[in-house]
Amino acid sequence: QVVLTQSPSASASLGASVKLTCTLSSGHSSYAIAWHQQQPEKGPRYLMKLDSDGSHNKGDGIPDRFSGSSSGAERYLTISSLQSEDEADYYCQTWGTGFRVFGGGTKLTVL
Amino acid sequence: QVQLVESGGGLVKSGGSLRLSCAASGFTFSDYYMSWIRQAPGKGLEWISYIDNSGSTIYYADSVKGRFTISRDNAKNSLYLQMNGLSAEDTAVYYCARDKTERYPDYWGQGTLVTVSS
Repeated sequence: QVVLTQSPSASASLGASVKLTCTLSSGHSSYAIAWHQQQPEKGPRYLMKLDSDGSHNKGDGIPDRFSGSSSGAERYLTISSLQSEDEADYYCQTWGTGFRVFGGGTKLTVL
Repeated sequence: QVQLVESGGGLVKSGGSLRLSCAASGFTFSDYYMSWIRQAPGKGLEWISYIDNSGSTIYYADSVKGRFTISRDNAKNSLYLQMNGLSAEDTAVYYCARDKTERYPDYWGQGTLVTVSS
């Protein structure tokens, strides 16, 4: 079964950029993923689907500041011009027939 | 606009049952797969189950298989989760989600809290 690994925490300054990483387990480097954001005390929000070639499709209303890229088994979420409302938990997620799996999430702190 | 509103959560004793509902609006409900996903207090997201648009194909995570049942009523634009044999490990916020191309959630509800007391 595929496993997604995320760093538990990350931080960056207001106005700066940050790149979050989601790593697919061995043998699953071709998998696409989805990124989801969860602001404090809120339900998650879909950000984008990210393919292994780096192409991505964002959800409705997701700002251009959010972008995705891929390299091998790594899937990245880059947030530029960080704003205070970007402080949130970020989850990657993938799928197969009969299953869905989430990474453990990365808590992003905006300094 | 797409709206998903969960209800039915609450406090239940260990071994008890609860039925969650999710009312959908703003899209053609019968065109979409739907999922239930939960989040234990202070923990990450855990996929529980998904159901295809007609209700004929259903999958569960091992953690709930045999205890939980997902269903839908397309005439009522509603998704359900029947939860039996509840234990403290099932304490979580339960989210309803619409699935995009049968692979990942593209809209989420706000969740309903289920607390199981021992």
